[in-house]
Amino acid sequence: GAVVSQHPSRVICKSGTSVKIECRSLDFQATTMFWYRQFPKQSLMLMATSNEGSKATYEQGVEKDKFLINHASLTLSTLTVTSAHPEDSSFYICSAERGDTEAFFGQGTRLTVV
Amino acid sequence: GQNIDQPTEMTATEGAIVQINCTYQTSGFNGLFWYQQHAGEAPTFLSYNVLDGLEEKGRFSSFLSRSKGYSYLLLKELQMKDSASYLCAVKDSNYQLIWGAGTKLIIKP
Repeated sequence: GAVVSQHPSRVICKSGTSVKIECRSLDFQATTMFWYRQFPKQSLMLMATSNEGSKATYEQGVEKDKFLINHASLTLSTLTVTSAHPEDSSFYICSAERGDTEAFFGQGTRLTVV
Repeated sequence: GQNIDQPTEMTATEGAIVQINCTYQTSGFNGLFWYQQHAGEAPTFLSYNVLDGLEEKGRFSSFLSRSKGYSYLLLKELQMKDSASYLCAVKDSNYQLIWGAGTKLIIKP
């Protein structure tokens, strides 16, 4: 079964609204989680590293104020896309690592901004 | 810079064997991962190599040569459901995963 759960799997929202995506590690504690974005037929692009109890580390070019990350507990990280626009439409995926040798992905969230 | 190279697309026949290569140049090495990703879905873990050699898991095997910066994923007895993208990723010295662009594998009957 899934060890990392991501919700929702699909969301359609109006331009200008905010959307929250949750990522949970189900049977292990994850001090670090990762948020990726993937455009069609392209590879995963790391957006940010979510650290429990501290600020997220964003990759270059990713707007911190637009993509808010909160990692309030060892099993939950959230990504909020604020004031979403059509160009934010994408597939967002979270992952969590169990030790150094296992990295599990959530099911992904397909965001469509209309 | 850091770089992961793998072929963009490969085609193989059902029942056959296919080898997907991955070469990497990263700042440090702390393991290499292979993932399978079906269209519209998140990647699923296939294998992890940190030492040189071959790791076998059923129909799938993964090989690593650290001195050559090279890995391959070998898929045997191909099935139609194996049609997917296969992603190679390397953990660098900071334990950050560096991703290849993926290889789209097309299986034909």
